[in-house]
Amino acid sequence: DAGVIQSPRHEVTEMGQEVTLRCKPISGHNSLFWYRQTMMRGLELLIYFNNNVPIDDSGMPEDRFSAKMPNASFSTLKIQPSEPRDSAVYFCASSETGPMNTEAFFGQGTRLTVV
Amino acid sequence: DAKTTQPNSMESNEEEPVHLPCNHSTISGTDYIHWYRQLPSQGPEYVIHGLTSNVNNRMASLAIAEDRKSSTLILHRATLRDAAVYYCIRNSGNTPLVFGKGTRLSVIA
Repeated sequence: DAGVIQSPRHEVTEMGQEVTLRCKPISGHNSLFWYRQTMMRGLELLIYFNNNVPIDDSGMPEDRFSAKMPNASFSTLKIQPSEPRDSAVYFCASSETGPMNTEAFFGQGTRLTVV
Repeated sequence: DAKTTQPNSMESNEEEPVHLPCNHSTISGTDYIHWYRQLPSQGPEYVIHGLTSNVNNRMASLAIAEDRKSSTLILHRATLRDAAVYYCIRNSGNTPLVFGKGTRLSVIA
């Protein structure tokens, strides 16, 4: 398996534009996680899905952020409208069950810059 | 709240063993201890995890204190490629990993 695949790797956009980040989890994994990393706040959990159902989105910063998982092999994180403070590296991760005693695999991340 | 305490940074010489400490004094009986590391410009990667007994794998060893209030990640021979941020995470139930600030390990040639 190629691992967790995220696209794009880099995104530069203007303030106010819509941004969509994409994630393909590892086949067979039933949990998917979106994290955001900044120098100031470190790695923060935004939302996670189990069997395609959002379980906890309390980490989503604002209504401008939304995430979907239409099927087991694809998820999106959308920011509309984007703001400069959304600039960060966004990671997607997947695991086979929950992360309690199984390994979570992370993608390479999407570096988002909002100017 | 990561619920673990780690030193901000550590330094090691290449080819030397490295012991990375982690304090988790409020750990509950069902919490696992996970270690992940993040190499520069990459996503975090799994290193090792355990519950009560010491654990070994090809990357590292995990030594867990008898009272489980602390643990130590052991890299047996540090290489330059081991320079990374190491995260110690306690995790209970079927919940996502919560990352703290971790320990930044520098390896000197």
